Amino acid sequence: GAVVSQHPSWVICKSGTSVKIECRSLDFQATTMFWYRQFPKQSLMLMATSNEGSKATYEQGVEKDKFLINHASLTLSTLTVTSAHPEDSSFYICSARDPTGVNQPQHFGDGTRLSIL
Amino acid sequence: DQQVKQNSPSLSVQEGRISILNCDYTNSMFDYFLWYKKYPAEGPTFLISISSIKDKNEDGRFTVFLNKSAKHLSLHIVPSQPGDSAVYFCAAKRVGTASKLTFGTGTRLQVTL
Repeated sequence: GAVVSQHPSWVICKSGTSVKIECRSLDFQATTMFWYRQFPKQSLMLMATSNEGSKATYEQGVEKDKFLINHASLTLSTLTVTSAHPEDSSFYICSARDPTGVNQPQHFGDGTRLSIL
Repeated sequence: DQQVKQNSPSLSVQEGRISILNCDYTNSMFDYFLWYKKYPAEGPTFLISISSIKDKNEDGRFTVFLNKSAKHLSLHIVPSQPGDSAVYFCAAKRVGTASKLTFGTGTRLQVTL
């Protein structure tokens, strides 16, 4: 079945560091990918919609200069957390929409646990 | 504003019995609903979905029921198995927003022996 690969799975870094997370669709081309954030025991909150070849669409309250999204190819989207601080520590999950599937399902990566010291 | 709500944060069910997970929504523009299963430190895995034109969809041990007038859906798992223990999220899509999903807060299901 469709697979989405997300790397790295776990990052620990110092405050002020920028961290890049990659999301790849392995067996389908994804014109649209999504980035979510999940706090402990809370829901997945959509941060932004990443469209191949164009600017990402950010949800209200999400700082686009803080969370840089690049969707340079049909199989790869990246999220860069710039100058990360402890409050950015969270679980980040990407998903990719399969345009060929029934109802164009979203397939999720396994997430990235980001810990900022 | 939580548009999709799962009011039970946890549920414990004995193996072999039925598990019923509930979800309520407030936005009448939602037209497609999905259930995902999530293990710790992993991304959600799609389970089953239902369109607003239907009131029931069944796939093996999983059945989703939709009551549009009550803005309520439920996921039935029967018989429940220990491997079903996970967090279950319901999600909804709104007309005209492509695949943008709104997730509920999740229900942790524990299936005991």
